[in-house]
Amino acid sequence: QKEVEQDPGPLSVPEGAIVSLNCTYSNSAFQYFMWYRQYSRKGPELLMYTYSSGNKEDGRFTAQVDKSSKYISLFIRDSQPSDSATYLCAMSLYAGGTSYGKLTFGQGTILTVHP
Amino acid sequence: GAVVSQHPSWVICKSGTSVKIECRSLDFQATTMFWYRQFPKQSLMLMATSNEGSKATYEQGVEKDKFLINHASLTLSTLTVTSAHPEDSSFYICSVPDRTDTQYFGPGTRLTVL
Repeated sequence: QKEVEQDPGPLSVPEGAIVSLNCTYSNSAFQYFMWYRQYSRKGPELLMYTYSSGNKEDGRFTAQVDKSSKYISLFIRDSQPSDSATYLCAMSLYAGGTSYGKLTFGQGTILTVHP
Repeated sequence: GAVVSQHPSWVICKSGTSVKIECRSLDFQATTMFWYRQFPKQSLMLMATSNEGSKATYEQGVEKDKFLINHASLTLSTLTVTSAHPEDSSFYICSVPDRTDTQYFGPGTRLTVL
């Protein structure tokens, strides 16, 4: 079993739709949760990060963490064609300080938002 | 967020040659950098942790003699793929963590070994 599971999709939605992307994990020691967006042939770009359970909102993006269920989500409201990319969840055992944590990534979900 | 650059962005080489990839942190000093490899339609796999002034730490299954890492300064880490073979063709990406443990990724280097 992989430490982080993410449905690879592909996921295709119409412009304006609400997108829900999800990851589950098995290691309860993960403390730090991130979502990255990766366009084709580019490096991942950090979208959001959070340490705690609950919701965190940034513009059209909302990250949700449920540590009791070991489940994280990213919601995209009013999706745009420019949101078409691969979305990767990532997790780390460490939460700051000088012990830089190694990231464990999900497989990535390919999202296409069509006009 | 941090700005990370990589050079080259794209390289093609013949089998048996060595290729050096540079990763630079442009706006802050980094004692640690990470190197990842990503095959088509797959996720990022951590290869090694680059430590300034000391030896790199390699993940299980990664050959340290094949993937040489040098972290010569607080802003530069290099990955050298020695005696490259076609199976080494991949997308190599570095990342730099800031003090909150947030990692910022470079744009990646696409290596094709013929």
